[in-house]
Amino acid sequence: EAQVTQNPRYLITVTGKKLTVTCSQNMNHEYMSWYRQDPGLGLRQIYYSMNVEVTDKGDVPEGYKVSRKEKRNFPLILESPSPNQTSLYFCASSTLTSGRNSYNEQFFGPGTRLTVL
Amino acid sequence: DAKTTQPNSMESNEEEPVHLPCNHSTISGTDYIHWYRQLPSQGPEYVIHGLTSNVNNRMASLAIAEDRKSSTLILHRATLRDAAVYYCILRFRGSGAGSYQLTFGKGTKLSVIP
Repeated sequence: EAQVTQNPRYLITVTGKKLTVTCSQNMNHEYMSWYRQDPGLGLRQIYYSMNVEVTDKGDVPEGYKVSRKEKRNFPLILESPSPNQTSLYFCASSTLTSGRNSYNEQFFGPGTRLTVL
Repeated sequence: DAKTTQPNSMESNEEEPVHLPCNHSTISGTDYIHWYRQLPSQGPEYVIHGLTSNVNNRMASLAIAEDRKSSTLILHRATLRDAAVYYCILRFRGSGAGSYQLTFGKGTKLSVIP
């Protein structure tokens, strides 16, 4: 089954304790992205990656790191989490074709609910 | 950056058509218009997309204004399962060759009344 998986689904941690949220897709997609969702703010993009070793900042990258060493995986790293990073996080992936008629549906994972105390 | 404006919420009766509007007055010529929806406790899912012409698929129809400054997602017969937050999104070129970003607005929360 084609899917995007995230782990863990739920995480409660304390300020300053480094954590990693994993994301994996089995569709051989080039493009992967991380979003956070907060009440009243909708989804905001954190980082995205066009392919292995290619990453770029989204709208809210501060406090986050990502890496793309393998095509299927795109972990989100919080080196020193703070309470304002308490949020619902979504990973997504898609193909990356270009051109006037290109179409790149994004497939989203189930979400990771993170609480930083 | 081009942004979208949507009503915060809408209501529809079950089995009736629903028209969800989206304004994107600063859209550029290369921006695609995408619609995604998010069911409760799930990640967003793709609904439909278009560039200039109206589009139909099994889930919905997309009507795009001639000047492309607005669009409307049409659900022909709303069901209870269609209760979700609907996002109108513009896809534009980000930094780096071939890159792009999706900028989600706050979306429209659709309630379907039985």
